Amino acid sequence: NAGVTQTPKFQVLKTGQSMTLQCAQDMNHNSMYWYRQDPGMGLRLIYYSASEGTTDKGEVPNGYNVSRLNKREFSLRLESAAPSQTSVYFCASQTEPNTEAFFGQGTRLTVV
Amino acid sequence: GESVGLHLPTLSVQEGDNSIINCAYSNSASDYFIWYKQESGKGPQFIIDIRSNMDKRQGQRVTVLLNKTVKHLSLQIAATQPGDSAVYFCAEPRTALIFGKGTTLSVSS
Repeated sequence: NAGVTQTPKFQVLKTGQSMTLQCAQDMNHNSMYWYRQDPGMGLRLIYYSASEGTTDKGEVPNGYNVSRLNKREFSLRLESAAPSQTSVYFCASQTEPNTEAFFGQGTRLTVV
Repeated sequence: GESVGLHLPTLSVQEGDNSIINCAYSNSASDYFIWYKQESGKGPQFIIDIRSNMDKRQGQRVTVLLNKTVKHLSLQIAATQPGDSAVYFCAEPRTALIFGKGTTLSVSS
């Protein structure tokens, strides 16, 4: 099983460029999450999707949009990248609340 | 605000020692907690979980203790090894999975 797959693994953007981070899970999980991780800040929740067709804001949603394309895929879009969005981004999924979540390997994004 | 928080950002131990990593939570209604381990360059991985109807749960070399009276949980790692060096997070999976900031465990030989 591949689990949670994120693409790309690394990306460099110029300020103002847009891009979409892709995430797919093959575990038939209902819930999916996007986090960003900055030094000393732990994992901060950007957006989550409790089920196919629903999305909700997390702690730090500004500057991001998400799409739950189907049950497998949950994408994160930066419409106009800013240097403050330089971070490592993690996608996660879980079958339902109060269960273990599984994480992807992360996308390291640098905005110059 | 943050619903789970770790007490110390870093912990350094000698190989073979026991390690204790602490975490406090604020919501007395919280009923499930998970500990994750994150190695450098990787995503977090599940270590052990505990539900509020338990005070203690043991895994392989790891034990989680839950004190609901003071809203505190701890992760104990027995006979710490260099491979245990990582960042450890406690997490509370309610509506969404919320993490504390993490404790970096460094194990020296």
